[in-house]
This record gives sequence, structure tokens and C-alpha cells, in this order.
Amino acid sequence: SYELTQPPSVSVSPGQTASITCSGDKLGDKSACWYQQKPGQSPVLVIYEVTKRPSGIPERFSGSNSGNTATLTISGTQAMDEADYYCQAWDSTTAVFGTGTKVTVL
Amino acid sequence: QQQLQESGPGLVEPSETLSLTCIVSGASISIRGYYWGWIRQPPGKGLEWIGDIYHSGTPYYNPSLKSRVSISVEKSRNQFSLKLTSVTAADTAVYYCAKRPAGGNWFDPWGRGTLVTVSS
Repeated sequence: SYELTQPPSVSVSPGQTASITCSGDKLGDKSACWYQQKPGQSPVLVIYEVTKRPSGIPERFSGSNSGNTATLTISGTQAMDEADYYCQAWDSTTAVFGTGTKVTVL
Repeated sequence: QQQLQESGPGLVEPSETLSLTCIVSGASISIRGYYWGWIRQPPGKGLEWIGDIYHSGTPYYNPSLKSRVSISVEKSRNQFSLKLTSVTAADTAVYYCAKRPAGGNWFDPWGRGTLVTVSS
């Protein structure tokens, strides 16, 4: 079965840039999206179609995809960005979520 | 504003059937161009797609759950439902319903989620 692998954790200082990777076979050929999930809350879409931001999502969130890796970048990270982040893509007719990354703002 | 709300029993006995409903408000479930889906998250773990269904009733299921899952649409009540048979403790999770555009691969919005515990 298709797998998407993320680093378990990423630490970042306030105001710095956090990069979260998502690796999967030929992921660059697929359309990845990203979700933010804060404790006790449901996931929120932050990036879709690799680079697009839904209405209401700050410009500091951006996405890219190349080769076997999709990347979510948070520029000028704020304390409110501390959360779990999941990538997601499709393998044929099956939706697959990444393993998740906990972002800690130190 | 579109909202999705899960409802159903919070406790199910092992080997029984888990049944949940997602009530949709602010949008018609009959409208063309959208899928209605279920995703779950075991406590402290990651997200797992269960399946989704087009407004016309064509469902798609996760192969790992396909033998036990059924998703259906109830247009008259503007809601859709999940049934998962022969549950075990491994099915204990927060269950979310969500909307997905046809031709798109993302889920938005999501419901608040409901915790279902499988235990006797």
C-alpha cells in the first residue's frame, strides 16, 4: 500500500522558518495537500493542490512538491502555529495521509 | 456557512456494528460536484481515510476496511451515514466527516468529530 512519511517532530524559534517534508513514491506526480490540527480540534486545510491557500489561511503558509517530496513551509512562524501537520495525497482511488509532524515553537 | 456534524453512539460493543451519521447544514448534499467522506483518528495517532461517496451514491472505500464498511447518502435528510461491522478495540477512534470536491483531492470542511469507543 502507498505510504507518506513525515518527520515525527520539527522545532522552530518564533519568527523563523519551519519546513515539514512529506515523502512518497512519485509524490511529485500527485497533488498533495496539508492539514493543521491543534489539540482537541478537527484538522483544518492549509494548503491544497500543492501550493494554493484556502481563504483565511495566512500567507506565511506555502507549499511545494518535487520528485518524491512535498514540503510545507511556515515563514515567520508564530506561537499559534504550534500544532500537528498532516500531508495527504491519492493513490489511485484511495486517500492516504502522512504519518504526521508535530511542530513545536520554542 | 457549511457545517458538518457527526452523531451516533459513543460506545459500541466488540463484534457489533458502528453506525454514525453526518448532518450537513449550509449546503445541499444533492448538489453535483462533491464527495462526502469519513476519516478516523485513533487516540494519539494519525489520520486514516475510511471512504467517501458521491452525491449520486457511488462509494469509494479504503481497501483495508472495504469488507466491513458501508457509506450511504440520505438526500431527504441532507445527511450521510457510516456503518462499520464486526468492530474491535482497534476501531476505537475519533470519527470525522468531511466534504471533498469532485476533481479535487482535499477535504474541507471537517466536522468536529465524535469519539467512538469499542468496549464491553
